[in-house]
Amino acid sequence: EAGVAQSPRYKIIEKRQSVAFWCNPISGHATLYWYQQILGQGPKLLIQFQNNGVVDDSQLPKDRFSAERLKGVDSTLKIQPAKLEDSAVYLCASSLVASGRGSYEQYFGPGTRLTVT
Amino acid sequence: KNQVEQSPQSLIILEGKNCTLQCNYTVSPFSNLRWYKQDTGRGPVSLTIMTFSENTKSNGRYTATLDADTKQSSLHITASQLSDSASYICVVTRMDSSYKLIFGSGTRLLVRP
Repeated sequence: EAGVAQSPRYKIIEKRQSVAFWCNPISGHATLYWYQQILGQGPKLLIQFQNNGVVDDSQLPKDRFSAERLKGVDSTLKIQPAKLEDSAVYLCASSLVASGRGSYEQYFGPGTRLTVT
Repeated sequence: KNQVEQSPQSLIILEGKNCTLQCNYTVSPFSNLRWYKQDTGRGPVSLTIMTFSENTKSNGRYTATLDADTKQSSLHITASQLSDSASYICVVTRMDSSYKLIFGSGTRLLVRP
């Protein structure tokens, strides 16, 4: 079974530029998550999708971050304009249903390491 | 406040030794607790998931315990190997409308030969 795919794996941009990340979840997984992981910290949820609808985006900085999952499969996360503090690893994860329910597993992709200079 | 605290922040042990990582949480209402292993440059991988009624669960050389009364969990690693060098993250699910996962900051383990 293929895992969660993310691209690119690494990205270096200058502040005020824009950047986009792509995620393809495990086939059949209805729930998709984007996390931000700053070095030395645990992942922080940015947005959670259930199919193509947003379940939770309470911690997404909506003035600069946006995300979509138009067909309920793959997803993109965009930052525009980027700030120095956006330097982090952006992790995508998926689960069959909302993984907090019961013991459903949440599977993570390898992440995209973003450096903003 | 819903928080997950892990200790120690980092740990160095010799290959073959055992170690125990700690997790304290204040998340309420509680749904389940997970331990993840995150290798450098990779996404987290689930080791164990425990619900309220489970107080121990094993996965090979990894054994997790849960005391729901004191809101504490531990992850015990037996006979450590070099490949155990990683960050170990404790995650607690809050039983709200979105079943939000609340992550600890992790313990960075280094196993030396």
